Amino acid sequence: GIQVEQSPPDLILQEGANSTLRCNFSDSVNNLQWFHQNPWGQLINLFYIPSGTKQNGRLSATTVATERYSLLYISSSQTTDSGVYFCAVGGANAGKSTFGDGTTLTVKP
Amino acid sequence: GAVVSQHPSWVICKSGTSVKIECRSLDFQATTMFWYRQFPKQSLMLMATSNEGSKATYEQGVEKDKFLINHASLTLSTLTVTSAHPEDSSFYICSARDYTGTGLYEQYFGPGTRLTVT
Repeated sequence: GIQVEQSPPDLILQEGANSTLRCNFSDSVNNLQWFHQNPWGQLINLFYIPSGTKQNGRLSATTVATERYSLLYISSSQTTDSGVYFCAVGGANAGKSTFGDGTTLTVKP
Repeated sequence: GAVVSQHPSWVICKSGTSVKIECRSLDFQATTMFWYRQFPKQSLMLMATSNEGSKATYEQGVEKDKFLINHASLTLSTLTVTSAHPEDSSFYICSARDYTGTGLYEQYFGPGTRLTVT
């Protein structure tokens, strides 16, 4: 199956700083999503981005499918951005998604 | 975006009893739903894929007789943990797949159910 690696595993920032989270995957995908898991465990959809670039407020994401990676950018980070960020990918003809191990982000005031 | 609900949000049960968790897609029909398990500070582990009107597909190592899945309608899937034991204590999360276009789909997650077996 597809292997998904996320980096860094942990990230500590001061409020206002910018950050880049990376997701590498081992095979062709037709489905890639970024999620934020809040402290209560709820997974919140950030981006559905099998290819290309999208932006939503302070967050943006880019997936370069031919090079098998995706990046999540967080600008002007806030304490509410803290939590775990997961990348999940699904291969062609795959009905299910594989999750990376996540990046735990801590934003300090 | 699409909304998925899960009930109950937390449950405490005694060892040996069974617990049923419901997962509903509120504003879309989901022919496919997924059940995940998450241990503290770990990633989500897929337990099974639930298909409406047919048997669930379980991942390797998941006991299908212990974790019964029923997907009787396009908006409801249930997970029953039978004869629960303390090692079954975990955070269980369901998701539903919503098609965005030809061959493409996006997953939406429920809020999770925290199960504690005493």
